[in-house]
Amino acid sequence: GDSVTQMEGPVTLSEEAFLTINCTYTATGYPSLFWYVQYPGEGLQLLLKATKADDKGSNKGFEATYRKETTSFHLEKGSVQVSDSAVYFCALSDHGSGYALNFGKGTSLLVTP
Amino acid sequence: NAGVTQTPKFQVLKTGQSMTLQCAQDMNHEYMSWYRQDPGMGLRLIHYSVGAGITDQGEVPNGYNVSRSTTEDFPLRLLSAAPSQTSVYFCASSSLADSYEQYFGPGTRLTVT
Repeated sequence: GDSVTQMEGPVTLSEEAFLTINCTYTATGYPSLFWYVQYPGEGLQLLLKATKADDKGSNKGFEATYRKETTSFHLEKGSVQVSDSAVYFCALSDHGSGYALNFGKGTSLLVTP
Repeated sequence: NAGVTQTPKFQVLKTGQSMTLQCAQDMNHEYMSWYRQDPGMGLRLIHYSVGAGITDQGEVPNGYNVSRSTTEDFPLRLLSAAPSQTSVYFCASSSLADSYEQYFGPGTRLTVT
């Protein structure tokens, strides 16, 4: 079945450092790919998405490109801030389960001043 | 437009008790789903629905029942609570019109003692 694998954390970075969180997927069809963020004590917020190969999703300085050839959707940000400290989830959806999401296990990011 | 609402926000149950977690959405979304979030496990799909009257099992359905009598509501029933069901539960809805982007409720934190 479909699955998502993302790098394990926690990841600790200094403010203004470059961020990469790796995400790879396996899927039989042509899924849509998502990054969600969960700030401490809160629910999930959509950070960005891509619905087809070579699409680039971007939001709040974060970017991720849907790479079909490497089945990847890595999250990047050029300069992280303390306020980016959160848990980041990579996810995919396809028609097989009513377009519900199949999540990775999450990567905790801590940005220090 | 309230989006996706969930009640209660917190709940403590004793082993063997039953209860219903409520979920409602006012966006006329056809798809709805329930997830549970456990530390280190990410979010896992419990049940989903592709429309009123249609439900199906996700990855971890045992111990839970759902029904979808209206487009708006998708309650999750715990038949006989067990400590293993201690978790945070999220409801979500989505629509073809939004490229199946999932809109999440604020979550219900359930503790079973």
